[in-house]
Amino acid sequence: DIQMTQSPSSLSASAGDRVIITCRASQSISNYLNWYQQKPGKAPKLLIYAASSLQSGVPSRFSGSGSGTDFTLTITSLQPEDFATYYCQQSYTTPVTFGQGTKVEIK
Amino acid sequence: EVQLVESGGGLVEPGGSLRLSCAASGFTFNNAWMTWVRQAPGKGLEWIGRIKSKNDGGAIDYAAPVKGRFTISRDDSKNTLYLQMDSLKTEDTALYYCTSVGDGPKQTRYFDCWGQGTLVTVSS
Repeated sequence: DIQMTQSPSSLSASAGDRVIITCRASQSISNYLNWYQQKPGKAPKLLIYAASSLQSGVPSRFSGSGSGTDFTLTITSLQPEDFATYYCQQSYTTPVTFGQGTKVEIK
Repeated sequence: EVQLVESGGGLVEPGGSLRLSCAASGFTFNNAWMTWVRQAPGKGLEWIGRIKSKNDGGAIDYAAPVKGRFTISRDDSKNTLYLQMDSLKTEDTALYYCTSVGDGPKQTRYFDCWGQGTLVTVSS
């Protein structure tokens, strides 16, 4: 199985900060990498697919990059509604696997 | 509006069975690949399995922890996805989500719509 490792596991940031979350795959997955946001008590929401494509309706302050094994999710100018847990996920092969999550908390 | 609504969760004893349903609306269900994802209390996301559309062969894949115990199926006439769970274990306790699978460039796939989830608790 392909292991997905996110870092950091959690971070504290202030509104307006730039936040970068990284995700590393245990083998090359080309650009088969997606990012999700999950708020407490809610279902996950797709933010980025195919490593860098912004899902319709998602604010442009979210962006993704990377290819192969190393990927990043960047949030420019963090907004109060962005405090949540973020997951990366590879869809290169089954079993589909997720990173362990990165919790973004208010500093 | 695309909508997925799960149902069928509840409390079941270890070794028991449960069938979850996911009612889909707002998109062409019979053309869609569908998945089940679960989340244990306070934990991360775990993929359970996926069923392709009949047009794409209808193949079903499962994660190792549930293979041989869980069965994914679909009824395209009812726009409904199912998850039959047998031989349940305490570690199957989780919130179970169904998702639709989007199709991106170069056959990249992603989970673009999620239901609200249905809670399964396995306990004696």
